[in-house]
Amino acid sequence: AQSVSQHNHHVILSEAASLELGCNYSYGGTVNLFWYVQYPGQHLQLLLKYFSGDPLVKGIKGFEAEFIKSKFSFNLRKPSVQWSDTAEYFCAVNPSTLGRLYFGRGTQLTVWP
Amino acid sequence: GAVVSQHPSRVICKSGTSVKIECRSLDFQATTMFWYRQFPKQSLMLMATSNEGSKATYEQGVEKDKFLINHASLTLSTLTVTSAHPEDSSFYICSAKRDNQMNTEAFFGQGTRLTVV
Repeated sequence: AQSVSQHNHHVILSEAASLELGCNYSYGGTVNLFWYVQYPGQHLQLLLKYFSGDPLVKGIKGFEAEFIKSKFSFNLRKPSVQWSDTAEYFCAVNPSTLGRLYFGRGTQLTVWP
Repeated sequence: GAVVSQHPSRVICKSGTSVKIECRSLDFQATTMFWYRQFPKQSLMLMATSNEGSKATYEQGVEKDKFLINHASLTLSTLTVTSAHPEDSSFYICSAKRDNQMNTEAFFGQGTRLTVV
């Protein structure tokens, strides 16, 4: 079945540690890829997106993600996390010409100060 | 970014009653709106896509007579959970886009926590 997989369900880091959250998808063809973040008590917000071009995408708050087509992956990275990055992170894929988004199950990131 | 507002943010209803959730795009016209359902510790599951002025397109396994979606204007879509049961208790999230193209960003509401007792 087509799916979006986030392998890390809960990640706990200390401040200044580096972060990498995995995301793999199984849709073929052209896809748009997204990472969303949900801070406690807030809406889902767009962190970054990939449509085409440079596979290394930079987003807000120092996050970046790399699209590796051969691996069907779109991993999220940040070199040095902060306590304020504590949130839930969702990878999402738009696999068709329509606007639907399909989400991974999310990764809860907890950063200890 | 654009603002999408959901109302109510929390609702408790009795089993067998119906409850309506509103999703409004406050500062843009939303040609397309999406309704998601999120179970604890699980992903957002797309329930349906609604385009203004036409019938919603439901995902496989979603009962269209159970979850009534109306998108009567470019700024408002409603989801009505009819004859609610405890298993309908969940977190419902809407999102809105200016159009239905791949490259258009979707903006999300804050979600509605439905509890059916």
